[in-house]
Amino acid sequence: DAMVIQNPRYQVTQFGKPVTLSCSQTLNHNVMYWYQQKSSQAPKLLFHYYDKDFNNEADTPDNFQSRRPNTSFCFLDIRSPGLGDAAMYLCATSRDLGPANEKLFFGSGTQLSVL
Amino acid sequence: AQSVTQLDSQVPVFEEAPVELRCNYSSSVSVYLFWYVQYPNQGLQLLLKYLSGSTLVESINGFEAEFNKSQTSFHLRKPSVHISDTAEYFCAVSRSNTGKLIFGQGTTLQVKP
Repeated sequence: DAMVIQNPRYQVTQFGKPVTLSCSQTLNHNVMYWYQQKSSQAPKLLFHYYDKDFNNEADTPDNFQSRRPNTSFCFLDIRSPGLGDAAMYLCATSRDLGPANEKLFFGSGTQLSVL
Repeated sequence: AQSVTQLDSQVPVFEEAPVELRCNYSSSVSVYLFWYVQYPNQGLQLLLKYLSGSTLVESINGFEAEFNKSQTSFHLRKPSVHISDTAEYFCAVSRSNTGKLIFGQGTTLQVKP
């Protein structure tokens, strides 16, 4: 049974048209992450939520926003997608941060194409 | 700042041959080290991890990795690979006080019959 679910698997949007990617979890984990993975590159952490506390990485563009309305759901909003934002977006969860963070659980990802 | 370098982007190997996927990291503080595997059309899954203690860690499917502090390496090995091991393998490092993972670029392991 999938524990971290990302929908849709493939998303196509137009240049400059806002798009939202969704992630849900059945693990009741405190932490939810969004990673961006471009072709042949390392997954790059964009931001994470610890419960309701939002933590943005210093080099994450302002174009990327996130919402976590409850424990189970987390959304990635791209306000004005550019061609360079085409990538696989990975959602992950962990029970906690710090030394207790031994394992991340990943969703299957959403492949975003920008036309 | 931390970084992770996976020296090989692709490693082709024949079935039942041994394999080593290389990973080096840089960090000025204590770190935890991980290998994640991504099978086609699936999310990343934890393969094995080093937190403390024995420097040799093993997974349930025959992979092992050795933490070498002097060489800042955490290479992944398997003595005999199967077709089903074909996947993308990511090395990652986590600072002990934050838990956030920094990934390497990934290595594609291609096992040929």
